[in-house]
Amino acid sequence: EAGVAQSPRYKIIEKRQSVAFWCNPISGHATLYWYQQILGQGPKLLIQFQNNGVVDDSQLPKDRFSAERLKGVDSTLKIQPAKLEDSAVYLCASSRGLAGVGNIQYFGAGTRLSVL
Amino acid sequence: AQSVAQPEDQVNVAEGNPLTVKCTYSVSGNPYLFWYVQYPNRGLQFLLKYITGDNLVKGSYGFEAEFNKSQTSFHLKKPSALVSDSALYFCAVRASRGAGGYNKLIFGAGTRLAVHP
Repeated sequence: EAGVAQSPRYKIIEKRQSVAFWCNPISGHATLYWYQQILGQGPKLLIQFQNNGVVDDSQLPKDRFSAERLKGVDSTLKIQPAKLEDSAVYLCASSRGLAGVGNIQYFGAGTRLSVL
Repeated sequence: AQSVAQPEDQVNVAEGNPLTVKCTYSVSGNPYLFWYVQYPNRGLQFLLKYITGDNLVKGSYGFEAEFNKSQTSFHLKKPSALVSDSALYFCAVRASRGAGGYNKLIFGAGTRLAVHP
């Protein structure tokens, strides 16, 4: 079974530029998550989709971050414009169902973003 | 407030010795608890989870964890450490209903495990 695919693996941009990350979840997984992992911290959920609907985006900085999951499969996360504090690893995960019922989340390798 | 605490930034252990990585949590209601491991330049990998039932949960790679409701703890253990176990370990708890994002996981800051030959 193929895992969660993310691209690119690394991205370096200057502040105020825009950037986009792509995620392809495990086939058949209805729920997709985007996390932000700042160095030295645990992952923090940014947004959670159930199929193509948003379940939780309470911690997404909506003035600069946006995400979509068209057709309930692939997803993109965009930052526009980027700030220095956005430097982090962006992790995508997927699960068969919602985390609340104990479903295991499977993570991609992440995209490491450096904002200069 | 809901939270997960991993009180040790790093745990050092000699190969062949038992290891414990500590985790305490704060959440209302019955907790769903998870342990994940992260190797360099890799995503998080699931180790084990506690939903209900036996307080001792067995997981991947010989790891186990003990749920203690009275101490609100979920410590990760392994009887005999391997050098290859060296990695970053994260404890996570499901957020409580009604607290915003009911189905999301809250992660601790992580504990780096270093197993020395």
